[in-house]
Parts: sequence; structure tokens; C-alpha cells
Amino acid sequence: GNSVTQMEGPVTLSEEAFLTINCTYTATGYPSLFWYVQYPGEGLQLLLKATKADDKGSNKGFEATYRKETTSFHLEKGSVQVSDSAVYFCARVTNTGNQFYFGTGTSLTVIP
Amino acid sequence: NAGVTQTPKFQVLKTGQSMTLQCAQDMNHEYMSWYRQDPGMGLRLIHYSVGAGITDQGEVPNGYNVSRSTTEDFPLRLLSAAPSQTSVYFCASRRHGPSYGYTFGSGTRLTVV
Repeated sequence: GNSVTQMEGPVTLSEEAFLTINCTYTATGYPSLFWYVQYPGEGLQLLLKATKADDKGSNKGFEATYRKETTSFHLEKGSVQVSDSAVYFCARVTNTGNQFYFGTGTSLTVIP
Repeated sequence: NAGVTQTPKFQVLKTGQSMTLQCAQDMNHEYMSWYRQDPGMGLRLIHYSVGAGITDQGEVPNGYNVSRSTTEDFPLRLLSAAPSQTSVYFCASRRHGPSYGYTFGSGTRLTVV
């Protein structure tokens, strides 16, 4: 099938802790992969992406590496801040670019 | 550059009423989509369009209509509102191609009573 699976939340971390949010996908071929962030009361914003295997996307201290061997695109940040509290969505697009698939989202709360 | 603009931001309807949620983008994106977001359900695709004059159904199309007469606009019509349509609705657009992500609007929070 064609799907994106994210780790269940909610996730609560202390400020400056290390963050990992797991994301795996099932697909034929090597689709482009994305992470989106949704702050409270807002729409989703593109956080980072990777368009081919072994690419690393990065933005605002967040990173994710496209690993075709494990069909994964885990989101990481070395030191989270209170302002990183949000819901994070992993997503992929089909090889043709016609369809987009989102994970169910992972809620992150960072406490001071 | 406004991106994706959705109106209204909030709306309360009575059961059986109809309304149109507006969506406009100024990025000349070919693809436009409507999603609904419900607690614990993630994002669910309602309808989408790959270009002016072309629309198709997504995962949860029942009770909604769309049209795409121009590249810029993609309104979503609720034909006869039901409490089950209480949700947050997002419009999104993107360029055609396998490496482009969606740009989202800020959402419309709809309550049907």
C-alpha cells in the first residue's frame, strides 16, 4: 500500500532535550518526503523535505535523513525549545506527483 | 505574495444550511486540495484539483462539492450542513511534480449545530 506511519504521541520533553519523531513509509520507488509543522491555531507549514534517497533535509535546527534501506524519514533536533511545541506531520508524495499522503501527526510539548 | 487565502476563518451553521468556503492562491499552482482535520483523525482529503476545469474526489467527499473555474480559486461547497461536518478545513496548493510540497491556508473552523 501507500501510507505514512508516525510514532504515536503526545510527546513531552524538557527544554534542551533531544527530539526524535519516527516516520516510516510504504511505497513503490523513492517518493519525495516531507515534514510539516502545525502551531496551535494555524495551518501546516513545510518544515523540511528530501527528494531522493540519502538526502538530508534541514531547517530551524531540525533534520531528517531519507533512508531507503529502512524506508524511514525520522525527524530530529538536538535541543528543543518551548517554541517548538506543535504538531508535526510526516508526508510523502507519489512518484508521479499526483497524490500526497500525510501521517496522523505527532503532538510535541516542550516544558521549561 | 499572499500565498493561500481562506475565508471565513470561523463559521457557525445550523443543520441543513449551505455555505461556501473560499480558497484562493496567487502562486499559479496547478494543484489545489481541500482537507479536513479532526481530533485523532489527522488530515483527510475531501476533493482535489490538478488544474482549472478538473476536479476529483478524495477520501471523504460526501456532502461536499467543488469547482475549479480558474487556476486561482477552489471553493468548497457544503450542500446541507450536518453536525458531522464540524471540523477545521484547510485548503492547500502546490506545483505539479514529485518534489513539491503543499502550501496551506490558515484554515476555517466550522461548527454545525
